[in-house]
Amino acid sequence: DQQVKQNSPSLSVQEGRISILNCDYTNSMFDYFLWYKKYPAEGPTFLISISSIKDKNEDGRFTVFLNKSAKHLSLHIVPSQPGDSAVYFCAAIMTGGSEKLVFGKGTKLTVNP
Amino acid sequence: GAGVSQSPRYKVAKRGQDVALRCDPISGHVSLFWYQQALGQGPEFLTYFQNEAQLDKSGLPSDRFFAERPEGSVSTLKIQRTQQEDSAVYLCASSLGQGGWGLRTEAFFGQGTRLTVV
Repeated sequence: DQQVKQNSPSLSVQEGRISILNCDYTNSMFDYFLWYKKYPAEGPTFLISISSIKDKNEDGRFTVFLNKSAKHLSLHIVPSQPGDSAVYFCAAIMTGGSEKLVFGKGTKLTVNP
Repeated sequence: GAGVSQSPRYKVAKRGQDVALRCDPISGHVSLFWYQQALGQGPEFLTYFQNEAQLDKSGLPSDRFFAERPEGSVSTLKIQRTQQEDSAVYLCASSLGQGGWGLRTEAFFGQGTRLTVV
């Protein structure tokens, strides 16, 4: 049973436009959420995170929104750049408990010049 | 070194062969994690060490999988009698403090070892 779901395997956007990557979760005990970016043949790198006590966190071109009631979060990239082309993983954790980070399957973002 | 180093980068094993995958975490990092990523899937948790103590091994899929970190630094993931379903990328991550998923200190992933069982 997938506790973290990324229902879009891929997304293609034009350079300069907004990229919106979505993630849903089923476990209401998750209280901290992270986005990782992965290039081919490299390990995932941390991008941005959000605590469940917030509904928005912004870092430069990247903003993560959390809707707890809907168990939904999204990552917005504005403006999108070709270098943003990568696989993006949504992940969740229950703080104060296990250190087990639960990942979604990932969304492959392609930003076209 | 500058980052988490994993070796070998690629490993081809015949079914039934034993393999050992190595992870060199960033020097001084307390926490170490192993993840398994099958093709088209997200990484899945295998096990977690805090120094030399294996605090969580609930993700190890069978007793053919064994991980150790005897001196609290380098870790080895061993898979005995490999099966085709073991084919995956095995990722190691380390963090300076306890846990580390962006809460206290950031955790860093290595490039992974791609295991192919034929």
